[in-house]
Amino acid sequence: AQTVTQSQPEMSVQEAETVTLSCTYDTSESDYYLFWYKQPPSRQMILVIRQEAYKQQNATENRFSVNFQKAAKSFSLKISDSQLGDAAMYFCAYRRGDHSGGGADGLTFGKGTHLIIQP
Amino acid sequence: NAGVTQTPKFRILKIGQSMTLQCTQDMNHNYMYWYRQDPGMGLKLIYYSVGAGITDKGEVPNGYNVSRSTTEDFPLRLELAAPSQTSVYFCASSYSWPGQGTHSNQPQHFGDGTRLSIL
Repeated sequence: AQTVTQSQPEMSVQEAETVTLSCTYDTSESDYYLFWYKQPPSRQMILVIRQEAYKQQNATENRFSVNFQKAAKSFSLKISDSQLGDAAMYFCAYRRGDHSGGGADGLTFGKGTHLIIQP
Repeated sequence: NAGVTQTPKFRILKIGQSMTLQCTQDMNHNYMYWYRQDPGMGLKLIYYSVGAGITDKGEVPNGYNVSRSTTEDFPLRLELAAPSQTSVYFCASSYSWPGQGTHSNQPQHFGDGTRLSIL
């Protein structure tokens, strides 16, 4: 079974600075996808960014970018120019690819990192 | 745009009672999922469905049942509520490319969650 580990229960950053959230995962598959989801106090689950394992290029979405190290099974999220609205729980998630072996579909989540933005 | 709608938003049950959590989506997505989120944890997959009439177990299916009679609806039933089922429940859906069955790169769209307490 796949596992996702987020080793930082909480991170704090000054507004306008850059912060990196860590995520490692374990899988024997070669075809998979990785996601970062944001969960603000409203409880909504909001997709931040996604990465296809077969792509070497790191995904970028405006101020959000990832550092995907496939061999190390590492998938960190970098938030640049942090804003007060970025304060939330951030979850790293794994999903097996369409051509992977059997097993349940759906996302496997880490335990999350609580991001605090200091004004 | 309604997206994924969950009802109710909050519910308190007594031990041994039963109830159904409703989930409906208006995006014509084939794939639907139920997750639970315990305090301080990431989401865990309970059940999922790849289309009307087809359901399968996720990581934590014990104590729950599902059905999928239409594309739009995917209710989750608790038959004998237990304190261990106190959690926040999320329903999600995702798109799959017609005729190809590919879907893993598609983001999951989440409902706003149902907070369930069992006393």
